[in-house]
Amino acid sequence: AQTVTQSQPEMSVQEAETVTLSCTYDTSESDYYLFWYKQPPSRQMILVIRQEAYKQQNATENRFSVNFQKAAKSFSLKISDSQLGDAAMYFCAYRSANPSYFGNEKLTFGTGTRLTIIP
Amino acid sequence: ETGVTQSPTHLIKTRGQQVTLRCSSQSGHNTVSWYQQALGQGPQFIFQYYREEENGRGNFPPRFSGLQFPNYSSELNVNALELDDSALYLCASSHPHVETQYFGPGTRLLVL
Repeated sequence: AQTVTQSQPEMSVQEAETVTLSCTYDTSESDYYLFWYKQPPSRQMILVIRQEAYKQQNATENRFSVNFQKAAKSFSLKISDSQLGDAAMYFCAYRSANPSYFGNEKLTFGTGTRLTIIP
Repeated sequence: ETGVTQSPTHLIKTRGQQVTLRCSSQSGHNTVSWYQQALGQGPQFIFQYYREEENGRGNFPPRFSGLQFPNYSSELNVNALELDDSALYLCASSHPHVETQYFGPGTRLLVL
């Protein structure tokens, strides 16, 4: 079974600065997807960024980028130019890409990192 | 906004009762997954429905059951409620050829 570990329960960063959230995972599969989701106090889980394991290039979405290290099974999220609206719980998640499980797209989540932005 | 809606927003039940939670998937999405998120934890996979059939289940007892309808909306039913069932229940929809799941706002269930 796959597991996802987020070892930083809480992080804080000064507004406009850069912060990196850590995530490690364990899997025996070679093809999978990794995600970062953001959950603000409104509770809605919002997709921040995703990475396909077969792609060596790190994904980037505006101020959000990842550092994907497949051999180390590490998937960190970097937020540049932090804004007050970035304050939220951030969850790292894993999904198998095994085609034999078509339709079985369950996400395995970590325990989350609470990010606080200091004005 | 993801286009995924859930009802009700909040619900209070007593131990032993039964509850039904509802989810409308995003247009064009025929796969719906349900997750339970206890306070301070990450979401845990309950089960998934694809074309009206259960297609994958997490480590939850049979008193957690579901349905998916022809319009791809879905229900989560929990029988014989226990105090530990108090949680945020999230529904997510996805397209079979797209790996990303889009979440609804959740239903907060409190069991007294």
